[in-house]
Amino acid sequence: NAGVTQTPKFRVLKTGQSMTLLCAQDMNHEYMYWYRQDPGMGLRLIHYSVGEGTTAKGEVPDGYNVSRLKKQNFLLGLESAAPSQTSVYFCASSAWGSGEQYFGPGTRLTVT
Amino acid sequence: DQQVKQNSPSLSVQEGRISILNCDYTNSMFDYFLWYKKYPAEGPTFLISISSIKDKNEDGRFTVFLNKSAKHLSLHIVPSQPGDSAVYFCAASGEGQAGTALIFGKGTTLSVSS
Repeated sequence: NAGVTQTPKFRVLKTGQSMTLLCAQDMNHEYMYWYRQDPGMGLRLIHYSVGEGTTAKGEVPDGYNVSRLKKQNFLLGLESAAPSQTSVYFCASSAWGSGEQYFGPGTRLTVT
Repeated sequence: DQQVKQNSPSLSVQEGRISILNCDYTNSMFDYFLWYKKYPAEGPTFLISISSIKDKNEDGRFTVFLNKSAKHLSLHIVPSQPGDSAVYFCAASGEGQAGTALIFGKGTTLSVSS
């Protein structure tokens, strides 16, 4: 039982490049989330999903897109990376109606 | 405007003593509160939670107190151990929040010295 896994762990991008971050969970959770953590800012919600095939915007969605084609996977895409997207990205999942979320280990992204 | 505030960026405590981490919130719609612990280079891990219908929840060395009238909660760790040194995030959720998305505070770094 791996819980929540994230791929890759580290990535460096140049401004304007695109990439996709993959999140996978094996707990059969309905809800999945993408957060970013910046120094002194705590964690902020980017996008979330309440089930397979659904996505919705969080607090800071601009510049990101997401997809939930399979229940166990939640993808976060950056179409044209900007230095402001340099951050640590965390994926999380939770069961239906539960506030307790399980987090992945994070992806450290640097955009130069 | 911050809905969940942790006003102390850091706290230093000696091993064996009590650690008290504080959190304030502004949104009266929040009805579920959680504490997460985060070590460097790892994801946050769930520590303890409390529903708004309770004023106290205890789990081993960890106790969370909720004062709804003051919109304040606190996490008590007794006795503190060096392995408790980490960043602690307070989080809240409730009706109107995206899914069961959590609103996080900025965190308090706890250092426990031996």
